[in-house]
Amino acid sequence: KAGVTQTPRYLIKTRGQQVTLSCSPISGHRSVSWYQQTPGQGLQFLFEYFSETQRNKGNFPGRFSGRQFSNSRSEMNVSTLELGDSALYLCASSPRGLYGYTFGSGTRLTVV
Amino acid sequence: QQPVQSPQAVILREGEDAVINCSSSKALYSVHWYRQKHGEAPVFLMILLKGGEQKGHEKISASFNEKKQQSSLYLTASQLSYSGTYFCGTPSSSNTGKLIFGQGTTLQVKP
Repeated sequence: KAGVTQTPRYLIKTRGQQVTLSCSPISGHRSVSWYQQTPGQGLQFLFEYFSETQRNKGNFPGRFSGRQFSNSRSEMNVSTLELGDSALYLCASSPRGLYGYTFGSGTRLTVV
Repeated sequence: QQPVQSPQAVILREGEDAVINCSSSKALYSVHWYRQKHGEAPVFLMILLKGGEQKGHEKISASFNEKKQQSSLYLTASQLSYSGTYFCGTPSSSNTGKLIFGQGTTLQVKP
């Protein structure tokens, strides 16, 4: 069965711009989480969605937002990009959020 | 609060064993283990839901000591394919999918 699909794989943006990342979870998985991965901070939780509702949010500024659609696909948006937002953004899906997660390959965002 | 993994890095020869520990200062509701190879996504290895639970897949197994708030991952007779960074993750509360990950342990297996 198809895995978690994230698009785009790579993105270069300029400071001040905004960006939208997309995630298609495994069919049947209703829980979608987003993580930011950087060499210095490791894997940091951004948010979790379940059945179109945000269930949990990490300690990130309001510039980071997300949503989940009725087909479980999810998007995250970062507005007013800063250099420090450069990172690998990973999406992960799970049947219910209390089981193991399957990660996508990530979107590598570079802010210049 | 982020769980603490030890060691931070380990280098092995093929066939040797390794143990990676994950400990927390707060209650552990469950423990997830993932492996990430360079340039790839983290891959789920196993989840331990109950204190005292042990799981294994081939030569990789794990234990969970709820009272001591720690989990250990055991890699037996390591293979080259075991190389990568291992992360433990724990939910922030009992019924949430919000995982807090440790800083990772880099494992390198040499021929």
